[in-house]
Amino acid sequence: DAKTTQPTSMDCAEGRAANLPCNHSTISGNEYVYWYRQIHSQGPQYIIHGLKNNETNEMASLIITEDRKSSTLILPHATLRDTAVYYCIVRVADNQGGKLIFGQGTELSVKP
Amino acid sequence: NAGVTQTPKFQVLKTGQSMTLQCAQDMNHEYMSWYRQDPGMGLRLIHYSVGAGITDQGEVPNGYNVSRSTTEDFPLRLLSAAPSQTSVYFCASSYERGRGAAYEQYFGPGTRLTVT
Repeated sequence: DAKTTQPTSMDCAEGRAANLPCNHSTISGNEYVYWYRQIHSQGPQYIIHGLKNNETNEMASLIITEDRKSSTLILPHATLRDTAVYYCIVRVADNQGGKLIFGQGTELSVKP
Repeated sequence: NAGVTQTPKFQVLKTGQSMTLQCAQDMNHEYMSWYRQDPGMGLRLIHYSVGAGITDQGEVPNGYNVSRSTTEDFPLRLLSAAPSQTSVYFCASSYERGRGAAYEQYFGPGTRLTVT
């Protein structure tokens, strides 16, 4: 699986967009990009995933560059409840559906 | 649906004791996994299962056993507890909803284990 690189921490003002970058320069053509977040002491929560195209759901948007070497998770209007560690994971869609490898993630602090 | 449930929520063990952490899901998911999370660290995969009767090792399997006799249950056994196994343990399940969606994992609330 491709390795990902994320900033250790980021701050964002409440109500503003939070843009979380992820570098995955060794990604293969059949690998998906997944984002999860973990609010303090809770189990991680799935946010979004994508392959090539940009994706949007009720929680966030995922922008993947054309060369797929990096991506950005966008929380359009961050709230204090979005304070969490955000994990970017790259994984091929095979039959090993339970085998996610988490890195260190980005600790996002949303401030009033 | 209750989702993914884990018991117990908290556990204290003495070195050398054995115990089983329970995990159950009621969503008929085929995939289940166990992770551990040490303070200030990310999650590390211990064992995972792609279906009843099929398990495989993750990143840090030593000292742990698993079995998957039913789709619903995926217990994690600590054979002889060591202080290095003090951690928070998360169980997760997922299913093959479509290509690329197999990794939408649902996590349980965790079991906080302390080994003294």
